[in-house]
Amino acid sequence: DIVMTQSPDSLAVSLGERATINCKSSQSVLSSSNNKNYLAWYHQKPGQPPKLLIYWASTRESGVPDRFSGSGSGTDFTLTISSLQAEDVAVYYCQQFYNIPLTFGGGTKVEIK
Amino acid sequence: QVHLVQSGAEVKKPGASVKVSCRASGYTFGGYYIHWVRQAPGQGLEWMGWINPSSGGTNYAQRFQDRVTVTSDTSTSTAYMEVRRLRSDDTAVYYCARVSEMVYAEYYFDSWGQGTVVTVSS
Repeated sequence: DIVMTQSPDSLAVSLGERATINCKSSQSVLSSSNNKNYLAWYHQKPGQPPKLLIYWASTRESGVPDRFSGSGSGTDFTLTISSLQAEDVAVYYCQQFYNIPLTFGGGTKVEIK
Repeated sequence: QVHLVQSGAEVKKPGASVKVSCRASGYTFGGYYIHWVRQAPGQGLEWMGWINPSSGGTNYAQRFQDRVTVTSDTSTSTAYMEVRRLRSDDTAVYYCARVSEMVYAEYYFDSWGQGTVVTVSS
């Protein structure tokens, strides 16, 4: 199984400041056949299901604000919120869909400082 | 617009079974794999398995292979997940989720059900 490790477990950021979340996979999720990283990011607000933010490591889902961006390749990935807004308070998860079983990171809780 | 609507909360005793439904609308049900993911209280997300609604083909995480069955009914655009021999550590919110692209089994999820709370308690 591919183990997804997120860091930090939680972070508190002031409104308008940058938030950075890291995700590391235990093996590469980069496909040699199409040069795509099989990595997605979601956030989850209390009492709600997860919501897709980013796929292919860096492609923003339709309707997701451009303050959210994803980067990285192979085994190391980053989700950046360039200017934190109050509505961004949530738990953020990375997910690999490179192979079965699909696995998620443990989550990073983002709060307002 | 894609909608996945799940059945209501369940309370079960250890050893019992539970069957959760996920009714889809707004797209061609048979064209997209449906996955099941669960989340124990205060914990992260755990993938359980998928179904191809068109063929009925399934694939499960190894730890659930002997206790979980996923089925689908294309006439009602509904997927079902049954968990047997429930234990207290099966207490969780169970989600169905749709992959984002037709014909792909393992992909990212663009739509999720609202979740079904299953509580296992004696």
